[in-house]
Amino acid sequence: QKEVEQNSGPLSVPEGAIASLNCTYSDRGSQSFFWYRQYSGKSPELIMFIYSNGDKEDGRFTAQLNKASQYVSLLIRDSQPSDSATYLCAVKGSTSYGKLTFGQGTILTVHP
Amino acid sequence: EAQVTQNPRYLITVTGKKLTVTCSQNMNHEYMSWYRQDPGLGLRQIYYSMNVEVTDKGDVPEGYKVSRKEKRNFPLILESPSPNQTSLYFCASSRSEISYEQYFGPGTRLTVT
Repeated sequence: QKEVEQNSGPLSVPEGAIASLNCTYSDRGSQSFFWYRQYSGKSPELIMFIYSNGDKEDGRFTAQLNKASQYVSLLIRDSQPSDSATYLCAVKGSTSYGKLTFGQGTILTVHP
Repeated sequence: EAQVTQNPRYLITVTGKKLTVTCSQNMNHEYMSWYRQDPGLGLRQIYYSMNVEVTDKGDVPEGYKVSRKEKRNFPLILESPSPNQTSLYFCASSRSEISYEQYFGPGTRLTVT
């Protein structure tokens, strides 16, 4: 089992819809969870982080964390074509302080 | 401008020829890290450094070396590159431990023939 696994893509949604990106992790003691966005040919950029169970909202983005189910998700409301990118889930585990593990990424396409 | 710089941005080399990819940040960050990105595998951490003179292995350290003699610089060294090290490499830094936002460099595309 991969340490961090994202739902297989690519994911295609129409403009204005909600895009749902999912991530599961294997280390039950994981502490911190991050969502990065990476446009084609560019570097990753952080869009959300979450530490506690529940929802965290920032504009059109909502991160959801369920530690019991070892599950973290990212919802993008009112999706725009400019949201088309690869979304990377990253998890800081319970050991090896400083180590960050990424999922394989989910490609999102928002079509007009 | 606050940034992470990497050099070179593109490099084609041959098997066994030692190379160094430089990484420098101007944000006085304590934490720095190297990743490689391969299709279908996402970003995988090679090495990280919590502060000067303190480094540790990530998930894929084999074939790589690092050093952190100064806070701002964190070079990645490939002593004897092999074709399986052909990849896109990113350096990143953050203020301290990785609960804070990591800033990524522009990437270095390395091809080993």
